[in-house]
Amino acid sequence: QVQLVESGGGVVQPGRSLRLSCAASGFTFSSYAMHWVRQAPGKGLEWVAVISYDGSNKYYADSVKGRFTISRDNSKNTLYLQMNSLRAEDTAVYYCAREEEPFTIFGVVPIWGQGTLVTVSS
Amino acid sequence: QSALTQPASVSGSPGQSITISCTGTSSDVGGYNYVSWYQQHPGKAPKLMIYDVSNRPSGVSNRFSGSKSGNTASLTISGLQAEDEADYYCSSYTSSSTPNWVFGGGTKLTVL
Repeated sequence: QVQLVESGGGVVQPGRSLRLSCAASGFTFSSYAMHWVRQAPGKGLEWVAVISYDGSNKYYADSVKGRFTISRDNSKNTLYLQMNSLRAEDTAVYYCAREEEPFTIFGVVPIWGQGTLVTVSS
Repeated sequence: QSALTQPASVSGSPGQSITISCTGTSSDVGGYNYVSWYQQHPGKAPKLMIYDVSNRPSGVSNRFSGSKSGNTASLTISGLQAEDEADYYCSSYTSSSTPNWVFGGGTKLTVL
């Protein structure tokens, strides 16, 4: 079945870096754009970044632009989020999510992972 | 990017209908038909309920419907059931120098 499994979360000090991974299975990963969406504890959802099916286009929320980098390895069916210069306000559950239709980026995401918690604290 | 505006909470009794609003601007909700609604139960990942303003994914009950007027989108749930109690989030494509998406602040639905 279609599945997304995030990993790489944990506790990290402010200013440090962390890389999240999202392993995809059950569908043709290389055909779909992928998103990262986060949710701070007790707060709402916040879109973070999206990458096109082939990695040629990447877009970011203003809050992470210049600090976070989204990437993918289609040969490994894996999505990544490199997070640098982390701040306390980056503390959240990070979800990876798949677009509805192949080869498109419309922000319609029916497939979500279970999330991985990132805690930025000294 | 500014979040879309949703009421913090709504409530209704089983069998009743409720509507959750999502107000944006002409740069997001009002300018595009790329409005989606997500349901989230505590500790769970969000679930897509409505996309492109009023379309339901396969498997979503027809008790859920979406609409839009101007800069405000709405999610209506008819025949409320206990399992509908959850948080609901709207999202929209938003125009800027690069493609972006924005979520609403979320609405807590309580089934009385």
